[in-house]
Amino acid sequence: EVQLVESGGGLIQPGRSLRLSCTASGFTFGDSAMSWFRQAPGKGLEWVGFIRSKASGGTTEYAASVKGRFTLSRDDSVSVAYLQMNSLKTEDTAVYYCTRGGGRLDEVCDYWGQGTLVTVSS
Amino acid sequence: DIVMTQTPLSLSVTPGQPASISCKSSQSLLHSDRKTYLYWYLQKPGQSPQLLIYEVSNRFSGVPDRFSGSGSGTDFTLKISRVEAEDVGIYYCMQTIQLPITFGQGTRLEIK
Repeated sequence: EVQLVESGGGLIQPGRSLRLSCTASGFTFGDSAMSWFRQAPGKGLEWVGFIRSKASGGTTEYAASVKGRFTLSRDDSVSVAYLQMNSLKTEDTAVYYCTRGGGRLDEVCDYWGQGTLVTVSS
Repeated sequence: DIVMTQTPLSLSVTPGQPASISCKSSQSLLHSDRKTYLYWYLQKPGQSPQLLIYEVSNRFSGVPDRFSGSGSGTDFTLKISRVEAEDVGIYYCMQTIQLPITFGQGTRLEIK
């Protein structure tokens, strides 16, 4: 059974940094891209970015709203994907979800974690 | 960016009746590989989104056959043949043919 568990969320002041983790199980993590999405309170879904599998270059892509501030990485040895968030803004307040897939056109974002809430506030 | 427009934004359906949600994209979602990169997700209350349909019309594993997707190019539809109480939530269409990946605004389905 595919499982994705996000962690690391919490209350953080504007301008500070936070790192989210996504721990995966039930599939060959190293073979999959990992994507992140977010959902502001009461709002719709927004794509944050993805990191491709090592076989696909391990490269990353980001939404314009987070480019230069957020960094995706992965540790295939422990099946964990990371979202490093720097220079946080109040508008980054959201539930952050990780998903399997997304790095290639035919790689469906099929399984989602339960999400972790990040609240950016002074 | 590709703009995804869903209609209606909300609908109230009697159990056992059909429901239909439209999603229109500002650009064609048909790729040169002949696949169309349009997906449907359902976010049930208090839960994370779950994949219903991929590439327009393919039901994901475990999705009941009362859900069906259709369409081409820029116009797509999700249909529920007979709505059940467990179908309540917000339905989103999503495109992945071009970055950034974008979603429709969501359609809230409630039961009468």
